[in-house]
Amino acid sequence: DQQVKQNSPSLSVQEGRISILNCDYTNSMFDYFLWYKKYPAEGPTFLISISSIKDKNEDGRFTVFLNKSAKHLSLHIVPSQPGDSAVYFCAASAGGYQKVTFGTGTKLQVIP
Amino acid sequence: ETGVTQSPTHLIKTRGQQVTLRCSSQSGHNTVSWYQQALGQGPQFIFQYYREEENGRGNFPPRFSGLQFPNYSSELNVNALELDDSALYLCASSGGGAGETQYFGPGTRLLVL
Repeated sequence: DQQVKQNSPSLSVQEGRISILNCDYTNSMFDYFLWYKKYPAEGPTFLISISSIKDKNEDGRFTVFLNKSAKHLSLHIVPSQPGDSAVYFCAASAGGYQKVTFGTGTKLQVIP
Repeated sequence: ETGVTQSPTHLIKTRGQQVTLRCSSQSGHNTVSWYQQALGQGPQFIFQYYREEENGRGNFPPRFSGLQFPNYSSELNVNALELDDSALYLCASSGGGAGETQYFGPGTRLLVL
C-alpha cells in the first residue's frame, strides 16, 4: 500500500529551466509534507516542507505547492542548476508524529 | 555541531546471522528514527525512539529491535537475517517536537548472502 506516490522515476531538464517534481498521496490524515534530496552515498537531506494549512511555501529557488483536494503536491526548482541533479523524495507525516512515509523518489538530471 | 553518523558503512552477513548497526545522533537531538531503504525504493520507517523509549513502529517483524542510550545514540539489531533484509539502513535524528526536521546519516549498506 503505497501511501505516497512519485509516478515519475526520472526527469531531465536543461540548466536554467524549471524543474517540476510531482507527488500524490492517499492518506487524508497526512498534514505535513516534506521534500528530501539524496546524493549517492549520502543520506537524504531536508529541502523544504509545507503544512496542510498552507498551499504554498517558498525557499529561494525551491517552492512547494500543496493541493489538498487533489491530494497532490509539487516541488518547483527555478532556475535549475547542475548541482540540483539528485534523487528527490516526497514524504509525509500525520498529526505531528514523526513517522515519515516516503515516496519512491524521482531522479532529476539537470543538463548543462 | 556534529551531524548524524552511522557505523559501519558496509556490512556483509549470511542468512540466519544477527547484525547490530549503530547511530550517533546530532548534538542536542533526543529522537532517533530508523529506516530501511531497499534498492529502487524510498526509505521505509522501522521504528522511532524518544528519550530511550520506543515511540512508534512500522510494519517490521519483532526480529527488528532497537535501543537508544542516555547519550541518545542508538542501535538497530536484526536477528535471523533473511536475504530480503539486504538494504541501506538509515537513521535520522531530530529534536523531538512536532514537525521537527529529521537529519539523516549516510546509512549502512547491509548485504545478506
